[in-house]
Amino acid sequence: EAGVVQSPRYKIIEKKQPVAFWCNPISGHNTLYWYLQNLGQGPELLIRYENEEAVDDSQLPKDRFSAERLKGVDSTLKIQPAELGDSAVYLCASSPSWGSNTGELFFGEGSRLTVL
Amino acid sequence: GQQLNQSPQSMFIQEGEDVSMNCTSSSIFNTWLWYKQDPGEGPVLLIALYKAGELTSNGRLTAQFGITRKDSFLNISASIPSDVGIYFCAGQLRSNYQLIWGAGTKLIIKP
Repeated sequence: EAGVVQSPRYKIIEKKQPVAFWCNPISGHNTLYWYLQNLGQGPELLIRYENEEAVDDSQLPKDRFSAERLKGVDSTLKIQPAELGDSAVYLCASSPSWGSNTGELFFGEGSRLTVL
Repeated sequence: GQQLNQSPQSMFIQEGEDVSMNCTSSSIFNTWLWYKQDPGEGPVLLIALYKAGELTSNGRLTAQFGITRKDSFLNISASIPSDVGIYFCAGQLRSNYQLIWGAGTKLIIKP
């Protein structure tokens, strides 16, 4: 069974430029998460989807960050415009419907963003 | 907001040694989880704990859910080179199922 797939793995952009990350969750997983991980820190939740509905986006900086999961499968996270402080790893995770209640998440390899 | 205090921040050990790390919090959690992250990878679940006082093993790994629901420890026995990585604890809130993560314990095995 394929795991969570993320792309791109690495992205280098100049500040004020836009950037987008894509995630394909494990087949059948209803819940999808986007996390931000800074160096030396644990993951921080940005947004959680149940199917196509964003059920927790309280930590998403909505002035520059946006996300969508139009058909309840793939998801895209966008930053526009990017700032120097956005340099981090962006992790996507998914879980089956019961997983959101148990904390058992399956993570992708992450997308490492460097903003110059 | 809620915080987890994870310690130690890093550990330098010899192959074959036992390892112990822990997490504490002022908040009560519904579930405690331990994840491991290798370089360039996402975290992978090692052990999940659901009941206060629960002691669970997974091979050479043993974890316990504190009786107060505010802490947990992870032990690794007879460490091997592939144990190298960063270990994260995460507590799940009962109110909204959100995971609160520790800052990680970096395990380094001296050659």
